[in-house]
Amino acid sequence: QVQLVQSGAEVKKPGASMKVSCKASGFTFTGYYLHWVRQAPGQGLEWMGWINPNSGDTNYAQNFQGRITMTRDKSSTTVFMDLRGLKSDDTAVYYCAKERGAGVPMAFEIWGQGTMVTVSS
Amino acid sequence: DIQMTQSPSSLSASVGDRVTITCRASQSIGTYLNWYQQKPGKAPKLLIYAASSLHSGVASRFSGSGSGADFTLTIYSVQPDDFATYYCQQSYSTFSTFGQGTKVEI
Repeated sequence: QVQLVQSGAEVKKPGASMKVSCKASGFTFTGYYLHWVRQAPGQGLEWMGWINPNSGDTNYAQNFQGRITMTRDKSSTTVFMDLRGLKSDDTAVYYCAKERGAGVPMAFEIWGQGTMVTVSS
Repeated sequence: DIQMTQSPSSLSASVGDRVTITCRASQSIGTYLNWYQQKPGKAPKLLIYAASSLHSGVASRFSGSGSGADFTLTIYSVQPDDFATYYCQQSYSTFSTFGQGTKVEI
């Protein structure tokens, strides 16, 4: 079935980098944009950006520009999200999400299970 | 960035009530508006896309309306499984943004 499976929880020190993976299956990997959304504990959803798995093109939210990189590996149908210069307020659950497609931009119909990243000294 | 403001932030309802949540954009976004439901510890689920289209598999008691800057999510006859937090999201801009959420409680 259509699913996104993310890597496991991480604990990082302030100033470190994190890299979360999201393996896609059950659909044409290169046919849909994949997005990253995060949620700090007890807070709302924050869109981080997207990657076009076909071309590798990316678009990042202004809040993250300069310290985020999204990449993909077509051979393993996996996308990756790198976030550098971690701060305590980067502590959050990070989700990858697949667009619905069919001309409806950024409607996220499939989500990964989430990856908890804790930034603490 | 386009700001999305939901109201109320929380509400109490009883099973069978009609529940209405509003979402206002800081500028006109046409019908580029989606609604999600999220339960504690779970990923969000898409309910409504393009302001009023019901996503596949979503119960027909959920309904979305609106265009421009003002939108509404209505739950007709709320059920026990509907107690959750609801988010609107604009997809008009190249930078998407979510509302702050509305928690629907018993």
